[in-house]
Amino acid sequence: TQLLEQSPQFLSIQEGENLTVYCNSSSVFSSLQWYRQEPGEGPVLLVTVVTGGEVKKLKRLTFQFGDARKDSSLHITAAQPGDTGLYLCAGDDSGYSTLTFGKGTMLLVSP
Amino acid sequence: GAVVSQHPSRVICKSGTSVKIECRSLDFQATTMFWYRQFPKQSLMLMATSNEGSKATYEQGVEKDKFLINHASLTLSTLTVTSAHPEDSSFYICSARHSETQYFGPGTRLLVL
Repeated sequence: TQLLEQSPQFLSIQEGENLTVYCNSSSVFSSLQWYRQEPGEGPVLLVTVVTGGEVKKLKRLTFQFGDARKDSSLHITAAQPGDTGLYLCAGDDSGYSTLTFGKGTMLLVSP
Repeated sequence: GAVVSQHPSRVICKSGTSVKIECRSLDFQATTMFWYRQFPKQSLMLMATSNEGSKATYEQGVEKDKFLINHASLTLSTLTVTSAHPEDSSFYICSARHSETQYFGPGTRLLVL
């Protein structure tokens, strides 16, 4: 059974602060995806990282895939209230048909 | 990106009735779709994998007779919650894979009274 440990589970910060969310596993994944979900909606894909050591940027969001493809991080610079939501990491192993989800990080950014 | 739709977005029903939720891939074909359940402020829990033209694969602890899944075409999977009870109230989300990425529907909020 593959597991993805995501931390922290909850994060409440002020607008303008920086934060990092971590996703760790003992398993190797062929790729890892990050989603953001707002209340009452389905998860929306933010990024997919595939190559070990890969770094992708999406405006103020920076995603990194570990060299060994077992871990990933999401860093948000100067958080905005619009960043509020549930962030989910999900690992994809080409040997399985489904994604392995972390437990999620609930982020609240206050003005 | 690819689009997955769900219908209805919200449903309220009486205890004992059955509810059908539809999941459609709008601009691609999906031989496999996935059904998840999500409780408030928690992550997604995979319920079953829906396979076009064959039986669904259910995760451990999910009753297949309770949650009936039909994947009759390459763009449509349905989840029927049979004899619904208040404890079945939840947020149900489907997803489908396209080009090695999994895309999610907007979810269906089920409330059983």
